[in-house]
Amino acid sequence: DAGITQSPRHKVTETGTPVTLRCHQTENHRYMYWYRQDPGHGLRLIHYSYGVKDTDKGEVSDGYSVSRSKTEDFLLTLESATSSQTSVYFCAIRTRVAGHNEQFFGPGTRLTVL
Amino acid sequence: KNEVEQSPQNLTAQEGEFITINCSYSVGISALHWLQQHPGGGIVSLFMLSSGKKKHGRLIATINIQEKHSSLHITASHPRDSAVYICAVLYSGGGADGLTFGKGTHLIIQP
Repeated sequence: DAGITQSPRHKVTETGTPVTLRCHQTENHRYMYWYRQDPGHGLRLIHYSYGVKDTDKGEVSDGYSVSRSKTEDFLLTLESATSSQTSVYFCAIRTRVAGHNEQFFGPGTRLTVL
Repeated sequence: KNEVEQSPQNLTAQEGEFITINCSYSVGISALHWLQQHPGGGIVSLFMLSSGKKKHGRLIATINIQEKHSSLHITASHPRDSAVYICAVLYSGGGADGLTFGKGTHLIIQP
């Protein structure tokens, strides 16, 4: 599992509240990613990080911010949660396997915004 | 927009059947991944391909770079193979960018 954990694993919150999801890795990987998974859309990239304090936007970044103050933690924040952000969120890391880049995924966080 | 298309979207088969899932993409890639996701479960990487063919147990993945097409085959299918299979690509020149995913193929193997 490449030492990736996500917390919380499940969360129910109300519209308008801030929410922070945490991705933690123990193997000093440089690249980390946040995706959301929705029926009919598959997985889509929200934000990614290529090092401490180095982040960039993905395909569906509106309404989300991220921070990476240390290598092991990549935080995803919904500043004011909306029902459209109800989804399953996956964190991933990128590592080199047999000369190629490969991604490994965390277990996911199921977020429900009421 | 770069697209990844999978077919079929849903597939139900009997135990023992040979299964094929297809993936096509629109522009040049540096790598293609096949992923497996069981209901309520996490995402597991099955294969990463940049050319040719790979085999792991009953699973075989092939890629044709010229035709921009990949297939995932399952031989002697079993009910425990029931899952969503996802194709994902890393486009050439993508740098640190994440993967682009297909919508997945929902496979059910009936005993």
